[in-house]
Amino acid sequence: AQSVTQLDSHVSVSEGTPVLLRCNYSSSYSPSLFWYVQHPNKGLQLLLKYTSAATLVKGINGFEAEFKKSETSFHLTKPSAHMSDAAEYFCVVRGAGNQFYFGTGTSLTVIP
Amino acid sequence: DAGITQSPRHKVTETGTPVTLRCHQTENHRYMYWYRQDPGHGLRLIHYSYGVKDTDKGEVSDGYSVSRSKTEDFLLTLESATSSQTSVYFCAISTLLQGLGTEAFFGQGTRLTVV
Repeated sequence: AQSVTQLDSHVSVSEGTPVLLRCNYSSSYSPSLFWYVQHPNKGLQLLLKYTSAATLVKGINGFEAEFKKSETSFHLTKPSAHMSDAAEYFCVVRGAGNQFYFGTGTSLTVIP
Repeated sequence: DAGITQSPRHKVTETGTPVTLRCHQTENHRYMYWYRQDPGHGLRLIHYSYGVKDTDKGEVSDGYSVSRSKTEDFLLTLESATSSQTSVYFCAISTLLQGLGTEAFFGQGTRLTVV
C-alpha cells in the first residue's frame, strides 16, 4: 500500500529565509510523488512531481524537492520564502489503479 | 488550467435530503476522482472512475455513490445527507500518457453544508 506522512502540520518562517516541508512516503514499488499547494479558498495547484527520472525535481515559484529512496523522503524546499508562499502544502503519492493518496497537509506561515 | 467544472460551487442542504454534485471535464481524461477535504485530514478519496461505467470505492465511500455515464461527467450523490458530510468536495482528473499516469488536475471545489 502507498501512503505519505507529512511530518509537520504547521511551519512558520520569516520572509527571505529558507523553507523546508517534510514528507516521508511508503510504497511497495518505485513511487510517483507530487507536491501540491492550496492557497486560501482556492483549488489545488501542482508544484512539482517525481516520476523516476532525476531525483532532484524543480518546480514552480522556486520550489524544489529531492527524492531520497534510502530515507523514503521527498522533502520540499525553497531557498527564500516570499509572503505569497503562505498556503497549505500537500505531499501526494500515486497508488495502484492510478489513485492519489494525500498527506494531511502542512500549513506554511511567512512572517514579514 | 485543466477544463474541470464543478457544480454547484456552494450548497446548503438539510439532513436527510439527497444531494448530487457534478464534475464536468473537457479534457477527455480517462480517470476521474471525488475527494473530500476536512481540516487535519488532507484530501481523502471517496470514489474514483477509470472509465465510463467503471467506478470503485475509495477510503471514505460510506454514504456516497457515484455514476459515470459519459467520459466527461462524474456525479457524486449523497443519498441521505448527514452533518458529517459537511465538507469541501474536490473533483480531479488524470490520464495515461504512453502508459504512465499523469498528475491529477483539480476542480475549484464545492463547499457543502448539511444543516
